[in-house]
Amino acid sequence: DAKTTQPTSMDCAEGRAANLPCNHSTISGNEYVYWYRQIHSQGPQYIIHGLKNNETNEMASLIITEDRKSSTLILPHATLRDTAVYYCIVGGNDYKLSFGAGTTVTVRA
Amino acid sequence: DTAVSQTPKYLVTQMGNDKSIKCEQNLGHDTMYWYKQDSKKFLKIMFSYNNKELIINETVPNRFSPKSPDKAHLNLHINSLELGDSAVYFCASSNYHTDTQYFGPGTRLTVL
Repeated sequence: DAKTTQPTSMDCAEGRAANLPCNHSTISGNEYVYWYRQIHSQGPQYIIHGLKNNETNEMASLIITEDRKSSTLILPHATLRDTAVYYCIVGGNDYKLSFGAGTTVTVRA
Repeated sequence: DTAVSQTPKYLVTQMGNDKSIKCEQNLGHDTMYWYKQDSKKFLKIMFSYNNKELIINETVPNRFSPKSPDKAHLNLHINSLELGDSAVYFCASSNYHTDTQYFGPGTRLTVL
């Protein structure tokens, strides 16, 4: 069962940063925050994950609050190809990813 | 090269039939998974295998039987298909002790 809360949908202008919030107030000390996305009809794609510190890779940045109860995924320069459902997931080392409903992000030209 | 591949991509069959979906990964991972995405778009884990051993079985009907001939393959066999089995099935793989999973393109199963 999903342990995160995300907005149902959001729009973003092409070329602008997209900030996707996620609440995970019941996260435990050894659980990571993972972000995946699913572009229409494709398999989910890993984006980024973190434990405590902020993380950045070629796709996105992950900002985790100090109390770890929430996080924000930042897509620095959204493109039309970033239109997808974005999933915020918390998990430890039990192999299970519990996907919720995610946030449907629509990037508009 | 495709990291995680599934065959077939589409599968249409009649109720009561038996069918299999195949999954292969060339990432050298030792853990593989099957997920089901229903019409409401929720992704739920069904099974997980680590080094050919079953480690997760999420209350799936015993009509579903995963088989892992080696670390690179995890096949899903479904007996006596029912209408409710219609869904998209995704295979995934990862390394041991990590939840960073890599997904295949999915198999859309339609039971008529």
